Amino acid sequence: GENVEQHPSTLSVQEGDSAVIKCTYSDSASNYFPWYKQELGKGPQLIIDIRSNVGEKKDQRIAVTLNKTAKHFSLHITETQPEDSAVYFCARVERGDMRFGAGTRLTVKP
Amino acid sequence: DTEVTQTPKHLVMGMTNKKSLKCEQHMGHRAMYWYKQKAKKPPELMFVYSYEKLSINESVPSRFSPECPNSSLLNLHLHALQPEDSALYLCASSYQMTGVNTEAFFGQGTRLTVV
Repeated sequence: GENVEQHPSTLSVQEGDSAVIKCTYSDSASNYFPWYKQELGKGPQLIIDIRSNVGEKKDQRIAVTLNKTAKHFSLHITETQPEDSAVYFCARVERGDMRFGAGTRLTVKP
Repeated sequence: DTEVTQTPKHLVMGMTNKKSLKCEQHMGHRAMYWYKQKAKKPPELMFVYSYEKLSINESVPSRFSPECPNSSLLNLHLHALQPEDSALYLCASSYQMTGVNTEAFFGQGTRLTVV
């Protein structure tokens, strides 16, 4: 399966600011795009996801947008808090094959 | 309940040892996955089981042998590993491998060190 490009690799924001992480993919058959948050010493935690028939999805401070034509999707975190600090992975899924981006280390400074 | 339980949490083994990693879920999920994660890298898919049958094997060396005894359990048998196999091994499950209900939930992982 094709990999996923994820940017930036590190992101530092001030508490209360917004954070945006972007991913691009090349496999047109991908139809499901989850985002995971991984804290040190823990497994990845599913925080939000989007399917190919939807352009945007929001859950409180977290939102994901998908542009299927351009093959990119983004994670938006508003009103960031120190506990949002973690590594975030985007992924694309096709027939059980989930491929992750390289990850973004987000640091929220109090 | 979205819990996937992995045991042990930590494992140190010699290159001649045989050990097993275990994964359990009681969410009624029919797809289960093994991933390997090296430090500061994303998880890499190793195996996928769907309805207790091996569906995907990402060309993993035979020293890693998966087993799915029933729909709730997934094992990874380890034999003659190399130091470069040291990593965090993650188990995940989802209701289905394909279709609508494919949200995957991960366990906390087993930190494996091969000496």
